[in-house]
Amino acid sequence: QSALTQPRSVSGSPGQSVTISCTGTNNDIGRYNFVSWYQHRPGEGPRLIIYDVSKRPSGVPDHFSGSKSGNTASLTISGLQTDDEADYSCCSFAGNYTLIFGGGTKLTVL
Amino acid sequence: EVQLLESGGGLVQPGGSLRLSCGASGFMFNNYAMSWVRQAPGKGLEWLSVINNDGTSTYYADSVKGRFTISRDNSRNTLYLQMNSLRTEDTALYYCVKRTRPSMTFAYYFDYWGQGTLVTVSS
Repeated sequence: QSALTQPRSVSGSPGQSVTISCTGTNNDIGRYNFVSWYQHRPGEGPRLIIYDVSKRPSGVPDHFSGSKSGNTASLTISGLQTDDEADYSCCSFAGNYTLIFGGGTKLTVL
Repeated sequence: EVQLLESGGGLVQPGGSLRLSCGASGFMFNNYAMSWVRQAPGKGLEWLSVINNDGTSTYYADSVKGRFTISRDNSRNTLYLQMNSLRTEDTALYYCVKRTRPSMTFAYYFDYWGQGTLVTVSS
């Protein structure tokens, strides 16, 4: 399977909202409600911030939210904080135990 | 505190082999499926393989099937990735990742990641 499609970069000012899209196909995002999102800072392992499209693990702030429409999943970060500056990657189940990731999006907080 | 510590990365020539290890602590290792994920320089994350909690079931991405083997030793709380017939395109940071269920089915996400070990395939 091909990787999911994410914008290479997005940016926003503190307090604003940004949305990162993740586009797949009818064989992954469009078929299954198993989309997850990861925050990745340099030198650290990625951190799970959304799973099963819109669920937040305990300890993840509620200004992170996830959704899905058709073949596209979205991560919305509202009330941007400087600490949110990082790379964000989406991931979807694609059948037969297989998971595919997006190419990653660099979020810059201006 | 859950910790995953990868080791075994390094420089290897094309066609060579390498075995990665991942020491786990802070949770009941034998209760969870585990996976390997990699990230090549400048590229996105790529899922490679999964193994269930008792090591009896495994699955691989097409890109590594037949070359890589995932295994685990629950008595040592350690996950392994044996990598054979390495190619230059296998150059990446390799992450050990924890799933949230014993089986490979459902809960298709990773709640903990290691910091990765770097594998460089070059002549």
